[in-house]
Amino acid sequence: DAGITQSPRYKITETGRQVTLMCHQTWSHSYMFWYRQDLGHGLRLIYYSAAADITDKGEVPDGYVVSRSKTENFPLTLESATRSQTSVYFCASKTGSSYEQYFGPGTRLTVT
Amino acid sequence: KNEVEQSPQNLTAQEGEFITINCSYSVGISALHWLQQHPGGGIVSLFMLSSGKKKHGRLIATINIQEKHSSLHITASHPRDSAVYICAVQPFGNEKLTFGTGTRLTIIP
Repeated sequence: DAGITQSPRYKITETGRQVTLMCHQTWSHSYMFWYRQDLGHGLRLIYYSAAADITDKGEVPDGYVVSRSKTENFPLTLESATRSQTSVYFCASKTGSSYEQYFGPGTRLTVT
Repeated sequence: KNEVEQSPQNLTAQEGEFITINCSYSVGISALHWLQQHPGGGIVSLFMLSSGKKKHGRLIATINIQEKHSSLHITASHPRDSAVYICAVQPFGNEKLTFGTGTRLTIIP
């Protein structure tokens, strides 16, 4: 299906485990973003990517790793999950010539 | 102080009322976005503004660049308008968005 998808949609994991959240878009958008959404903070940028093999830190990158070997995929890895990483994670993408971002459906992650 | 401030944080109104949500920001911007998020749902872009006013159905968004202020209006509000409305700005020369914390709107039938 065309669009931007995230998987899994829901995940429960234990403290210390490694978790990878997937984001896939079919539009060949050059820019991709990872956000987390927490009550009282709104959306905060974790990492973003301007193109394949180009990534940069956002506002809250600690504890997260990203890669972008293909334009359409932008996985987010929590190397050793902590309870403070319990959140809803949104992926988004956009073209290089537009300001509008398109958001995925979100992944609700609970770290126990 | 956050770069993007929204008010009110929460708003409850009766069906049919005219709704206004405000957004103030402190930096120079290329564009301002209004987003909608239904409970448990994804995030949808409503408007992207760099000047003036835009209208889509019962929704109207305005922006005053000099005053660094934008408003989102909903006319003839309906319970299905109940959602969180998020303002986000795109600072000059920056591909990243800065978000407000959102306004939770509840429309009572």
